[in-house]
Amino acid sequence: NAGVMQNPRHLVRRRGQEARLRCSPMKGHSHVYWYRQLPEEGLKFMVYLQKENIIDESGMPKERFSAEFPKEGPSILRIQQVVRGDSAAYFCASSPSRSSNTEAFFGQGTRLTVV
Amino acid sequence: TQLLEQSPQFLSIQEGENLTVYCNSSSVFSSLQWYRQEPGEGPVLLVTVVTGGEVKKLKRLTFQFGDARKDSSLHITAAQPGDTGLYLCAGHNNNDMRFGAGTRLTVKP
Repeated sequence: NAGVMQNPRHLVRRRGQEARLRCSPMKGHSHVYWYRQLPEEGLKFMVYLQKENIIDESGMPKERFSAEFPKEGPSILRIQQVVRGDSAAYFCASSPSRSSNTEAFFGQGTRLTVV
Repeated sequence: TQLLEQSPQFLSIQEGENLTVYCNSSSVFSSLQWYRQEPGEGPVLLVTVVTGGEVKKLKRLTFQFGDARKDSSLHITAAQPGDTGLYLCAGHNNNDMRFGAGTRLTVKP
């Protein structure tokens, strides 16, 4: 059973381009969380999705950022017209249920650099 | 504003010393988890505590959940260089899983 897979591991974009970050949850997991981490800081919640539904996007900027988790395929975090301040590590985590006791498994992250 | 406040933010100690890090909140959580993150990797779960006052041990690590389920502590006995990393607490309520900013621990040989 493969773990949470994120790709690419490293992504370099010029200012104004679009960044697409992919997260394939563990098999059987229907809940996905996206987090952003700046160097030397903790994880900042961005969005929580279940299959085909956004449950909580309170941590995601209103503009330029969007997320989806389609019925088939990976979850996608999309950042349009990237700016230097978007440079960070983006982690996704998946869990099989919404139970508060459930472990969330993390991917290795995508490190986005905007030049 | 962080929902979960972790302290200290940075901690550097010598091998063999004991240490305690804290995770505090004004909110009550149905459960709380501790994760450890190494550079370049995602966080890995260490423990989940559910019951107020609960204590769990994992080798040299002791985790405690506060009686009111608002805070938690992690105590490491005889720290080793392999314990170096970012320790994150995460509080759970319904849909939410929110993290503190972490304590960055360095254990020097």
